[in-house]
Amino acid sequence: EAGVAQSPRYKIIEKRQSVAFWCNPISGHATLYWYQQILGQGPKLLIQFQNNGVVDDSQLPKDRFSAERLKGVDSTLKIQPAKLEDSAVYLCASSPPPNEKLFFGSGTQLSVL
Amino acid sequence: GDSVTQMEGPVTLSEEAFLTINCTYTATGYPSLFWYVQYPGEGLQLLLKATKADDKGSNKGFEATYRKETTSFHLEKGSVQVSDSAVYFCALSEWSSYKLIFGSGTRLLVRP
Repeated sequence: EAGVAQSPRYKIIEKRQSVAFWCNPISGHATLYWYQQILGQGPKLLIQFQNNGVVDDSQLPKDRFSAERLKGVDSTLKIQPAKLEDSAVYLCASSPPPNEKLFFGSGTQLSVL
Repeated sequence: GDSVTQMEGPVTLSEEAFLTINCTYTATGYPSLFWYVQYPGEGLQLLLKATKADDKGSNKGFEATYRKETTSFHLEKGSVQVSDSAVYFCALSEWSSYKLIFGSGTRLLVRP
């Protein structure tokens, strides 16, 4: 079974630039999550999709972060403009019902200089 | 809001030593509890889970028991191996939304 695919694996940008991350979940998984993991901390949920609808985006900094999941399959997360404090690993996860086991991708490591 | 607190690392052990990583939680309702593991260079993987009080989750020699009275879910293994070196995350799933909340992680280093 193919796992959760994420790209790119690494990204280095300067502050105020834009960046986008891509995620392809496991086939058939209706729920997709984006987490932010800052070095030394646990992952923090940014946004949760159920099919192509948003379930929870309460911790997404909406002034600079946006995410979409067109057609209820793959998803993109965008940061515009990036700040130094956005340096982190961005993890995508998906889960089948009843959403109690998450399958994580390897993440995208973002460095903002 | 709901939260998870786990012991700070790193935890350094010799091979075949006994492992305990402490985890306590604060939650309303009846959360499910999880341990996830992140091996070097890999994504997070579910290690074990427990969905109600007194349940014991187990996998790969690791165990954790859901203790409602002490709001704890400590991870244990009787004899660790070098291959167990990883970062371990305790997490809870809010009962109403299935939103996963993670602790800050504990790095385990097992020396031969």
